[in-house]
Amino acid sequence: NAGVTQTPKFQVLKTGQSMTLQCAQDMNHNSMYWYRQDPGMGLRLIYYSASEGTTDKGEVPNGYNVSRLNKREFSLRLESAAPSQTSVYFCASSEALNTNYGYTFGSGTRLTVV
Amino acid sequence: AQKVTQAQTEISVVEKEDVTLDCVYETRDTTYYLFWYKQPPSGELVFLIRRNSFDEQNEISGRYSWNFQKSTSSFNFTITASQVVDSAVYFCALSEPSLGDYKLSFGAGTTVTVRA
Repeated sequence: NAGVTQTPKFQVLKTGQSMTLQCAQDMNHNSMYWYRQDPGMGLRLIYYSASEGTTDKGEVPNGYNVSRLNKREFSLRLESAAPSQTSVYFCASSEALNTNYGYTFGSGTRLTVV
Repeated sequence: AQKVTQAQTEISVVEKEDVTLDCVYETRDTTYYLFWYKQPPSGELVFLIRRNSFDEQNEISGRYSWNFQKSTSSFNFTITASQVVDSAVYFCALSEPSLGDYKLSFGAGTTVTVRA
């Protein structure tokens, strides 16, 4: 099925550990995004990639790095996890303005940092 | 500054009641897009509607309807004759493509609980 695939779905890390969240889309979308969702705060943008080869900071980038490996894949890395990074992470992709303009979200990664 | 405000944190209703979710947005652009998403307890984000700034026509889809008013910068969502399956968190979101990207700015969400 076409869409956005995130891995892993669940992860528990110890403070200071590192990990990479993977995201891949098969819709040939140019833009990809990483959001985090915390209770009462909606989804906040961490980083985004408007097109292959470019990445930009969003609203809450501290503690994260990203790589747009190719048009399909956009990974999010936590170099040294902190309890404040406990959250649900969503990857999304979108196409530029057209009649089908919209966003496709992955199913999310629930990350707990202890 | 918050671009999308959903002032209602939680709403609880009895089945068959109508529910209206408020969404107020802020933008200086003339071209923008507004979205509503549903997040059921399973956690995925379900797209409900997209509206562009040039189309103020209200829309109805089954029990769902949306009222877009540019004069008050509002894009409210009504669930008519609510059902238990409508229990979810609902997010309003704004996209401003003229900024050069297509980022979505989300409101904080409204949790709707429908009791049988």
